[in-house]
Amino acid sequence: QSALTQPASVSGSPGQSITISCTGTSSDVGGYNYVSWYQQHPGNAPKLMIYDVNNRPSGVSNRFSGSKSGYTASLTISGLQAEDEAAYYCSSYTSSTTLVFGGGTKLTVL
Amino acid sequence: QAQLQQSGPGLVEPSQTLSLTCGISGDSVSSNSGTWNWIRQSPSRGLEWLGRTYYRSKWYYDYAVSVKSRITINPDTSKNQFSLQLHSVTPEDTAVYYCARAGPDVKRLSMTDWGQGTLVTVSS
Repeated sequence: QSALTQPASVSGSPGQSITISCTGTSSDVGGYNYVSWYQQHPGNAPKLMIYDVNNRPSGVSNRFSGSKSGYTASLTISGLQAEDEAAYYCSSYTSSTTLVFGGGTKLTVL
Repeated sequence: QAQLQQSGPGLVEPSQTLSLTCGISGDSVSSNSGTWNWIRQSPSRGLEWLGRTYYRSKWYYDYAVSVKSRITINPDTSKNQFSLQLHSVTPEDTAVYYCARAGPDVKRLSMTDWGQGTLVTVSS
């Protein structure tokens, strides 16, 4: 199972919006609405930000939103804040009843 | 919300077996409310899901293809914990290992709770 494809890095200024893409195949992202997104600050475990493509767990800011079209899922962060600077990972359930992660995207807030 | 506490050695010799344990509080390893996962992270491989176990009238196990021939995940209901064994390790298995809990939907695999992480180095 190959890793999902994410851009290595994205950047934005405070207050702006950014979008991170996550591309898979028909066996994962394209086949199921079980895409999740995680935020990870250095030295910490990942934190779930989005599940089932576009649902936020309790306590996650509504500045974070998710979507999917075909084989590509996306995470959008609006009103960028300094504390959003982190690595972001997508994941998807697969047809092999396993989980695959994306390679990760480093978000820099300028 | 469950709390997960990992334990196990941080150094393993090549060809030996890596063994880690994840203690659970606030939930039960044998409940229908979760699935119990192991994930690792290294600079070269990023985040990599290794496998899981869960109980739905019987025990189920799913493993990543990349480690399927040498991984074992076992629940321990008497201690409310689950373990990871990775056999015949090489330096490429050096990583931070996490245990994590996902919710009751066995397809969702969204990790809501994580252990603190254990850096395991494979070296002689």
